[in-house]
Amino acid sequence: AQKVTQAQTEISVVEKEDVTLDCVYETRDTTYYLFWYKQPPSGELVFLIRRNSFDEQNEISGRYSWNFQKSTSSFNFTITASQVVDSAVYFCALSVYTDKLIFGTGTRLQVFP
Amino acid sequence: DTEVTQTPKHLVMGMTNKKSLKCEQHMGHRAMYWYKQKAKKPPELMFVYSYEKLSINESVPSRFSPECPNSSLLNLHLHALQPEDSALYLCASSQVAGNTGELFFGEGSRLTVL
Repeated sequence: AQKVTQAQTEISVVEKEDVTLDCVYETRDTTYYLFWYKQPPSGELVFLIRRNSFDEQNEISGRYSWNFQKSTSSFNFTITASQVVDSAVYFCALSVYTDKLIFGTGTRLQVFP
Repeated sequence: DTEVTQTPKHLVMGMTNKKSLKCEQHMGHRAMYWYKQKAKKPPELMFVYSYEKLSINESVPSRFSPECPNSSLLNLHLHALQPEDSALYLCASSQVAGNTGELFFGEGSRLTVL
């Protein structure tokens, strides 16, 4: 069975702080995809990144960076120099050769000015 | 602005009503999805259409009836709903079905069943 755990329910930071959102996944499959989505108060989910199980390279996109470690089954997400606009719920998700995304329970990030 | 448009944004209905949620995308995507999201919970997949054919039904009760009239439109017909069906219903699309591409989500239709 597949599972995604986001242990941090809520995180509050002050603007310009760095923040890391944790994601731990479980699957017995050797081929899978991992995702991060952002859900702002407006409701839509915004795709941030997709990573397949054979690509463990870390990725940086502006203030966002992702650390994928198969040894610990983790796919953590770091926001550098956080901004108020980063306030949202962030979901980590797993997919194993199906159309079904298995979401974690989400982490609510609040960035205060 | 999201490229997946959902209407209505808010809907209140009684348990005996019949209503429909609509979703439209003009990105040429051939896969469309319905997700249900309860408050403070992650989205849950309901249906997947691939090339206008229903490919996945996640054992959704028959009071929810999806329809894909063409590759740009996706409807969700609602009939005899229960109060526990109150949720945010999210539509999404992707270039093709499968996990190789990103999903584009609409802002959702917030449904309240009285």
